[in-house]
Amino acid sequence: RKEVEQDPGPFNVPEGATVAFNCTYSNSASQSFFWYRQDCRKEPKLLMSVYSSGNEDGRFTAQLNRASQYISLLIRDSKLSDSATYLCVVSVGRRALTFGSGTRLQVQP
Amino acid sequence: ETGVTQTPRHLVMGMTNKKSLKCEQHLGHNAMYWYKQSAKKPLELMFVYSLEERVENNSVPSRFSPECPNSSHLFLHLHTLQPEDSALYLCASSQGWRETKNIQYFGAGTRLSVL
Repeated sequence: RKEVEQDPGPFNVPEGATVAFNCTYSNSASQSFFWYRQDCRKEPKLLMSVYSSGNEDGRFTAQLNRASQYISLLIRDSKLSDSATYLCVVSVGRRALTFGSGTRLQVQP
Repeated sequence: ETGVTQTPRHLVMGMTNKKSLKCEQHLGHNAMYWYKQSAKKPLELMFVYSLEERVENNSVPSRFSPECPNSSHLFLHLHTLQPEDSALYLCASSQGWRETKNIQYFGAGTRLSVL
């Protein structure tokens, strides 16, 4: 089983739609969680950290469910500029980050 | 832009060549990383340096040789590579490498093609 699993997509949604991605992780000792965004042929960039209480940043909401070992990312009112690959990232104890393969989002006009 | 600069941005090399990738961070971070990203695969961690000491090495072939002369600079020396080593090589840095300080900031990467 992969340490971090994501649906590769692509998710094709119209502008203005709400879209949600889930990500599951295998190690219950995981302690830090992040969503990164990677545009085509560019480097990953931090989108947001994910806290136990959930957190929101504008149109983006991240949730953590430790009991089921998954994190989610909700994007409201999708924009064309949201088209990218979204990487789920998990930190397990004293180790560097583990990246998922990413979920590709394509927002269409 | 992110404070992590990688050179060169593109590199084409033959299997018998020797080349080096360079990474420099201007963020005052203490940890630096090399990742490999192949098409349709997740980022693969190659090496981690914390305060100039290598703290993680993920079974990377010896044809990849990292060097960290100080906390701001990281090199990846390449020799006798194989075509399957063609990929995007990303450098990242973070304040520390343990949890709570390990948010990583990436350079733009070096796109490597091995002929």
